[in-house]
Amino acid sequence: KQEVTQIPAALSVPEGENLVLNCSFTDSAIYNLQWFRQDPGKGLTSLLLIQSSQREQTSGRLNASLDKSSGRSTLYIAASQPGDSATYLCAVNSGGSNYKLTFGKGTLLTVNP
Amino acid sequence: NAGVTQTPKFQVLKTGQSMTLQCAQDMNHEYMSWYRQDPGMGLRLIHYSVGAGITDQGEVPNGYNVSRSTTEDFPLRLLSAAPSQTSVYFCASSYSGRINQPQHFGDGTRLSIL
Repeated sequence: KQEVTQIPAALSVPEGENLVLNCSFTDSAIYNLQWFRQDPGKGLTSLLLIQSSQREQTSGRLNASLDKSSGRSTLYIAASQPGDSATYLCAVNSGGSNYKLTFGKGTLLTVNP
Repeated sequence: NAGVTQTPKFQVLKTGQSMTLQCAQDMNHEYMSWYRQDPGMGLRLIHYSVGAGITDQGEVPNGYNVSRSTTEDFPLRLLSAAPSQTSVYFCASSYSGRINQPQHFGDGTRLSIL
């Protein structure tokens, strides 16, 4: 059974700092990995999706990497801003069907002005 | 383009009551899923559908029923609510046959069972 772990559970940084969020998964046979953002009281917003054949994806100040063999992904946020404060969730698609994702418990990020 | 719409946003029920959580999407997505999110547990898949008339169980299906009569709608039914079903429920949709397309989520229904 696929298990997804996110470390740290919470992170507080000063504005402007670069930071890394970590995600690990137990079964390396995945089709893709997605990073989501969740604001309090809101749903999930997809940030980046990395296909199993890719090593990284970039969108603006966000860069996600994937190392399938070691079962790890990182989300790098450059020049953090208070507006980046949210919970970040990692999810893996290991069933080959885009309706069954296995989620980590998330990292709560607080960026202090 | 509304995306995925969930209603109601909040609901309080008494143990034993029944209710239906509504989910609608306007993106013509074939796949739709229901997740629940509990503190310290992450999101867990309840039921999913790969198209109208086709549904299947996820990781935590007990106590919930679903049906899919149209592409757009995927309601989740609680037949006899229990306090253990207090949670935040999310509906998601995505294209079929394109596994590298992201899932789109609604804003959730916050459900309390007393």
